[in-house]
Amino acid sequence: QKEVEQDPGPLSVPEGAIVSLNCTYSNSAFQYFMWYRQYSRKGPELLMYTYSSGNKEDGRFTAQVDKSSKYISLFIRDSQPSDSATYLCAMTARTSYGKLTFGQGTILTVHP
Amino acid sequence: GAGVSQSPSNKVTEKGKDVELRCDPISGHTALYWYRQSLGQGLEFLIYFQGNSAPDKSGLPSDRFSAERTGGSVSTLTIQRTQQEDSAVYLCASSIVESSDTQYFGPGTRLTVL
Repeated sequence: QKEVEQDPGPLSVPEGAIVSLNCTYSNSAFQYFMWYRQYSRKGPELLMYTYSSGNKEDGRFTAQVDKSSKYISLFIRDSQPSDSATYLCAMTARTSYGKLTFGQGTILTVHP
Repeated sequence: GAGVSQSPSNKVTEKGKDVELRCDPISGHTALYWYRQSLGQGLEFLIYFQGNSAPDKSGLPSDRFSAERTGGSVSTLTIQRTQQEDSAVYLCASSIVESSDTQYFGPGTRLTVL
């Protein structure tokens, strides 16, 4: 079983929809949680970074962390066709030199 | 400023040949990471550099894989005697320091082994 589980989708939604992306993890040492967005044939770019349980909001994006349940989420409000990409959750432990463990990635398509 | 750059962007090689992949991190970033992204395995950690030393090589899949970093900057990932299962996108990332800092990724090198 992988340390980080993420439903690969694909997920297809209409423009304007609220998108919910989720990951679960098994390693309780993970303390830092990230969401990356990756467009086709590009490197991942950081969207959200959190290190505590609770919510963090940035524009249309909200990251949620529940350490007690080992569950993280990313919500995208008012989704746009430009949000179509692969979304990767990633996490690391304080003692891991920043080595990231990634989920499989969820392919999202927002259609006009 | 300039981001992380990688070269070549694409590499096609024959089974058994050696390849070298290059990463230029963001200037001033002391931590450098190599990851591999393949269809079946997702994005996996390979090796981490702090300065020129590699405290964590735990992700290198076999002794055919090696990496070095010189001058605290450029890094080269070398794969000897390539196999078809080495086909993947090799991504490099850098951060100011290690641990919890944001990692910035390059565009990757797409390696195809025929």
